[in-house]
Order: sequence, then C-alpha cells, then structure tokens
Amino acid sequence: EAQVTQNPRYLITVTGKKLTVTCSQNMNHEYMSWYRQDPGLGLRQIYYSMNVEVTDKGDVPEGYKVSRKEKRNFPLILESPSPNQTSLYFCASSTRQGIYTEAFFGQGTRLTVV
Amino acid sequence: GESVGLHLPTLSVQEGDNSIINCAYSNSASDYFIWYKQESGKGPQFIIDIRSNMDKRQGQRVTVLLNKTVKHLSLQIAATQPGDSAVYFCAESFYGQNFVFGPGTRLSVLP
Repeated sequence: EAQVTQNPRYLITVTGKKLTVTCSQNMNHEYMSWYRQDPGLGLRQIYYSMNVEVTDKGDVPEGYKVSRKEKRNFPLILESPSPNQTSLYFCASSTRQGIYTEAFFGQGTRLTVV
Repeated sequence: GESVGLHLPTLSVQEGDNSIINCAYSNSASDYFIWYKQESGKGPQFIIDIRSNMDKRQGQRVTVLLNKTVKHLSLQIAATQPGDSAVYFCAESFYGQNFVFGPGTRLSVLP
C-alpha cells in the first residue's frame, strides 16, 4: 500500500530537548516536504526536498532542520524546541517536478512543547 | 508572496443539498490546483485536481471549477452526505511542486 508514515503520532516534550520526527514514504517519490498546521493558518511549509541531499527552506523554517540522506526518509529535527513549535506536523511526498499529481500526506504528528 | 485564501471559513449545509466551497489564489503563474479533504485526526486526502489549461473537471459527486481571469477556484459537492463533513483545503502550485495551501473551510452537514 502506498503510504507516508510519520512517527511518533503524538509527542510531549520539554523546552530545549532535541527531538526528531521521522517520515518515510514507499512510493519512490523524489519530492518530500514538511508542513505545520495551526488553527486559522492552514498548512505552512517548513522545509522541502527535491531529491536526495537537496533541501530548501519553506515559509516557516526557523527552529527546524531536515536531512535527506535517503530517498525514502525525510526526518524533521527540532534542535531546541520551544512552546511556539507546539503544532500538528505533516510530512508529504510527491513524484517530481513537471509531473502534475497529488502530494500524499502522512497521518500527522501532534507535538506539544511545555 | 504566494497565498491561497478562502472566502468562507465555515459552511453548514443540509444533507442532500449541494455544497460550494470557494478559494482565491494570488499567484497567476500557478498551473496546478488540488482540493484536499481533512477529517479529524487524519492527514489531508486528495479529492480532485485541475490543471490551468482546464476550467472544469468532474469526479464522483465533486466538480472543480477554475476561473483564471479572477484567480478563483471552487469545489462543488453534489448531494452532500454526513461523511462529507470535514475541513477542505485548496492548494496551488507551479510546475506541480511546492504546494501553497489556504486556511481551510470546515463543512458541516446537518441532518
């Protein structure tokens, strides 16, 4: 089954404690991205990757890091989480530029930073 | 910068009626648009898409209309059912990548 898998689904952490949210896709997609979803603001892109070892900032990259060492994985790293990063996070993947097709989303990770 | 917005943040319709959800986009270069449905506790799910070389596309009970002149997108749901209750997002992109999403419209279906 084609899917994007995020882990964990729920996470409560304390300010300043480094954390990683994993994302994996099994569709051999080249393009992957991370979004955060906040009430009234919709989905805002944090980072995206057009292929292995190619990453770039989205609209709200401050406080986040990503890496793309393998095609299937695109982890989101919060080096020093702060309460304003409490949000619902989604990973998405899609094929490649010029191919007009949907982005597939994971189930989401609800992060609370206290 | 690019932005996608919605005219109505909430929409309530009677079961069996048709629903229309609207969206305005700002980037005239956008050439691909998608409507997503998000149910509580789940990630967004694809409903229907449309390329900029089209002005209408139909799916099962859903129709997307694109008006490039006024940069407007709409989603029509025929015979709305309780299972259609969700938040609906429009998204725009250029060259099929880097989707920009609107804030979403919550659709509530009344019995």
